[in-house]
Amino acid sequence: GQQVMQIPQYQHVQEGEDFTTYCNSSTTLSNIQWYKQRPGGHPVFLIQLVKSGEVKKQKRLTFQFGEAKKNSSLHITATQTTDVGTYFCAGPQNYGGSQGNLIFGKGTKLSVKP
Amino acid sequence: DSGVTQTPKHLITATGQRVTLRCSPRSGDLSVYWYQQSLDQGLQFLIQYYNGEERAKGNILERFSAQQFPDLHSELNLSSLELGDSALYFCASSAIGDSTSPLHFGNGTRLTVT
Repeated sequence: GQQVMQIPQYQHVQEGEDFTTYCNSSTTLSNIQWYKQRPGGHPVFLIQLVKSGEVKKQKRLTFQFGEAKKNSSLHITATQTTDVGTYFCAGPQNYGGSQGNLIFGKGTKLSVKP
Repeated sequence: DSGVTQTPKHLITATGQRVTLRCSPRSGDLSVYWYQQSLDQGLQFLIQYYNGEERAKGNILERFSAQQFPDLHSELNLSSLELGDSALYFCASSAIGDSTSPLHFGNGTRLTVT
């Protein structure tokens, strides 16, 4: 079945270092969304990418959608302790379909050492 | 605050029992989703409702059922509970329930089956 995979599963960085998580889908996606879940919290929507090759920035966060619309990445520049959490990517169940449910990757858990 | 309300926050029950989890979506959102989050298992999609009707079904066990009421709140019923059902259950809502609508998650219900 359709799968969304994320690597790495865990990442430990020193504060100030950069961090990247990668998301790969087994099928072409019409769009991809990213969420962040703080420890003990709930997932919070960060951003959506729709166009092939799209790049979006939110302060120190840079999101990319691959040309083939099957992969995506999130890069954080100069991590801070506030970046701690699990980052999930999610894509629609069916490409181009009207269904709204999202398939989530297993997430990348980021820890930041001060 | 996402505007999505889930009750109860915590639930401890015994194997074989039945429980009901409740979710009130954000004001104006027509679609409700249920996700299960187990340790290191990411977010598993269970079921989606849109304006009272089932729209999509994921890996939901036959022992589980859900519905969305005319006032748009939703309930997830879990019966014949097993130890493996222990998890965090999230409800999320979105405005129009298509794959481009960001999901707004509640704080979750943590279910412990003993």
